[in-house]
Amino acid sequence: QSALTQPASVSGSPGQSITISCTGTSSDVGGYNYVSWYQQHPGKAPKLMIYEVSNRPSGVSNRFSGSKSGNTASLTISGLQAEDEADYYCSSYTSSSTLGYVFGTGTKVTVL
Amino acid sequence: QVQLVESGGGVVQPGGSLRLSCAASGFTFSSYGMHWVRQAPGKGLEWVAFIRYDGSNKYYADSVKGRFTISRDNSKNTLYLQMNSLRAEDTAVYYCAKLDWFAFDYWGQGTLVTVSS
Repeated sequence: QSALTQPASVSGSPGQSITISCTGTSSDVGGYNYVSWYQQHPGKAPKLMIYEVSNRPSGVSNRFSGSKSGNTASLTISGLQAEDEADYYCSSYTSSSTLGYVFGTGTKVTVL
Repeated sequence: QVQLVESGGGVVQPGGSLRLSCAASGFTFSSYGMHWVRQAPGKGLEWVAFIRYDGSNKYYADSVKGRFTISRDNSKNTLYLQMNSLRAEDTAVYYCAKLDWFAFDYWGQGTLVTVSS
C-alpha cells in the first residue's frame, strides 16, 4: 500500500486560487471515485473537505472543489484565505495488495 | 452531534501490548463502519484498519497485519484496537474515524501511543 503522491508544499496570496494534486494508480485513484480530501491544522484532528472526488460535506465552503482525471485527483482552493493555511491530505479506496484505504503524502499550504 | 473519544494510549516497551478504545455518540454506531488511522510525530496520515458496521469483515494495513486486531461492541457503542508486538515505528497519535461515502467523515481527537524502552 504505497502512499499517494502529493506536492510537499503549495503557496499562494490571499484571494488567489491554488491546486493540489494527488497521484495514484489504477488500483486506487484511477479505479474508483472514492477520493476524499482532508484539512488538518497543527495539533488538530483532520477534517473532511471533499468526498467521492467532488462532493462537499455540509458546512464546507464552496471555495473548495475537487476533480479527477485518470490516476490523478486534484483539490482546488479558490479565494485563498489565511485560515486555509494547513496541511491537506488526499485519500482513496484501494484494491492493491489488500482492500483498504491509502492516504497521500500530504501538502503544506502556505498563505503568503 | 457526532462525538468520538479515544482512550488507552500511553508509553509501552517494544514487544508490549496496548488496547485502544473509541467511545462513540451522536449517531447510530451499529450502522456504520469504523476506521483507525495513525499519524507518527511530524509525519502524514496512515490508514491502519477498518471494520464493517456489524463486525463481519475487517481489513488491515500491511504494516500492522498479524499484530493489530480491530473489534467493536455495538451494545457499548465502542470501537477497539488491540495492538500486540509493538515496535518503535508504531509510535503515533491514533485516531478513530467514522466511515461514510467511502471517506472518514468524523474523527476523534486522537490518543498518543509511544513505544520506547
